Amino acid sequence: GQNIDQPTEMTATEGAIVQINCTYQTSGFNGLFWYQQHAGEAPTFLSYNVLDGLEEKGRFSSFLSRSKGYSYLLLKELQMKDSASYLCAVRRGNKLVFGAGTILRVKS
Amino acid sequence: GAGVSQTPSNKVTEKGKYVELRCDPISGHTALYWYRQSLGQGPEFLIYFQGTGAADDSGLPNDRFFAVRPEGSVSTLKIQRTERGDSAVYLCASSLGGQGSDTQYFGPGTRLTVL
Repeated sequence: GQNIDQPTEMTATEGAIVQINCTYQTSGFNGLFWYQQHAGEAPTFLSYNVLDGLEEKGRFSSFLSRSKGYSYLLLKELQMKDSASYLCAVRRGNKLVFGAGTILRVKS
Repeated sequence: GAGVSQTPSNKVTEKGKYVELRCDPISGHTALYWYRQSLGQGPEFLIYFQGTGAADDSGLPNDRFFAVRPEGSVSTLKIQRTERGDSAVYLCASSLGGQGSDTQYFGPGTRLTVL
């Protein structure tokens, strides 16, 4: 396959911080996206990284290391509504290649 | 609304039948994509249009699948002789131009069930 790996499930507590990791094959890399998907709904765009480093956007941050084929999504001040699947996607050419997603459960 | 719309939201059909799924992209977006998502998996690329032409159809699983975008806006995904394995959520996405940081915006999907 396209070898984009992320944990299947994670659980965290409301108000806490959680980090969701993603590793990928570096060949053909042209940018990395994170999407949030609530059950039965469309994926919604969260972040984009193409250069190494951290991109911060409110409670969500995303990090990229191109040489290591590694990214993470950091969610701060977790809220119950953050319970969803988080999809890591690598752009190869014009298409996005997605991982299977990480189901995040936020508990009170 | 200004987002990507897809119809129908649900489609139940019998094995062997023909189905058409429609996507209406965000106005002004020249790039349009079809993906397929099975339960517990991420979306899987099917086909990419730039304007009216299919620029990359490498993800179509076989020749029973075909898509068109005749006027560079609305697109239709057509599946002939449906099989039970075709059951999935079919997602459409659009983006401004299809390059670089161009973000793909997804529609709500069509859930196809083949009995």
